[in-house]
This record gives sequence, structure tokens and C-alpha cells, in this order.
Amino acid sequence: GQQLNQSPQSMFIQEGEDVSMNCTSSSIFNTWLWYKQDPGEGPVLLIALYKAGELTSNGRLTAQFGITRKDSFLNISASIPSDVGIYFCAGQGDGGSQGNLIFGKGTKLSVKP
Amino acid sequence: NAGVTQTPKFQVLKTGQSMTLQCAQDMNHNSMYWYRQDPGMGLRLIYYSASEGTTDKGEVPNGYNVSRLNKREFSLRLESAAPSQTSVYFCASSEATLPGNTIYFGEGSWLTVV
Repeated sequence: GQQLNQSPQSMFIQEGEDVSMNCTSSSIFNTWLWYKQDPGEGPVLLIALYKAGELTSNGRLTAQFGITRKDSFLNISASIPSDVGIYFCAGQGDGGSQGNLIFGKGTKLSVKP
Repeated sequence: NAGVTQTPKFQVLKTGQSMTLQCAQDMNHNSMYWYRQDPGMGLRLIYYSASEGTTDKGEVPNGYNVSRLNKREFSLRLESAAPSQTSVYFCASSEATLPGNTIYFGEGSWLTVV
């Protein structure tokens, strides 16, 4: 079945630093989504990507849909303490169960003020 | 702006007890989902309902049943809870199941089975 590898698993950075995380897939995806989850809350959508090569920004966040359709990255510029949380990538591909969005295992981000 | 609302927020069950997690969405979405989240495992799909009147198994359906009561509501039932079902459960909804339809999540239900 389809699998997603998300890395790194965790990051501990200084406020103001840039952050980069990525996801790779064993198969092709048609949609890549990036979510953030705060403690005790459900995941909230940050960025959605629908075309290979697409580069989309949302404030200090930038995400790209890889040309091969098997990877995506998320960058956060000039991190601030409220960026703390778990970031998930999710992908949806062709065929199989249309309801099945495949999630990465998350990147836990900690920011030191 | 309620979005996706799920209850209860916290529940402790004894092994063998049954319970139902309730979920409702007010976005007029056709599709609804139940996920579980375990440490280091990300989110895994239990069941989903592409539209009112239909339900399908996801990645980890064993030990669960679902009911799409109407367009707004999608419940998840544990008939005989087991410690392995200790997890955080998220209900979600989207306009449709097709790629490109964003999934919106509820705030989660923390279930502990002792």
C-alpha cells in the first residue's frame, strides 16, 4: 500500500530560525496537504497543493508539490513560539479507496524563545 | 463557526464496555470520516462515509462500527472496547472524497480503555 515518510521526526530550533520538513512517498499522489496540530486540538489545514511543481505560500509558510509527485516540502521562515506543534503531511493518490488520505507520522516542532 | 463537533471530549472505559462517539458537521459536507491517532503512528482512517447512506472501511476498521445517521451526523461505535483502542479519535468532513477536497477535523476525543 501507499506509504509516506515524513522527516525529521522532531526539531528543536531557536526563535527566528527557518524550518524545513519534507515528505516522500513510495507512489504518486495527486494532492498534498500540510496540517498543523496544536496540543489537545485537531489538525488544521495550512496549505493544499494540487499540481506537480506547485509552490504555494501562506504567510511565513511555503510548500511545494514535487515534480515527481512523490514528495512535498514545507518551509517556515523566521519561526516564532506559536509555531510549536506537530506538522503533518498528507497525500491522496489515484485508485483504491477514495476516502483514504494517507498521513505522515508528523514532525514535532519546538521553538526556543 | 462550529465546523466539526465531536463528543465526548474525554472518556474512560473498562474492557468490554461499549460506547458511541458522536460527530456532527454544519458545513453541509457530503463526506465524513473517523480517524484514530496514536503516538508515532500519525492519523489512520477507521471508516468513512462518502455520502449520506454509504459507509466504507478504512485502514483500521476492526473493532468498530459506524452509522451515517443523516448528512450532518456520523457516529463511531465500539461494541466491546479493548485496551488497544485507547487512542485519540478524530472526526472529519469534506465536501466530497475526491482529491482536492479539503478535510476539516474536529477537536478530538480522548479514549482510554482500562
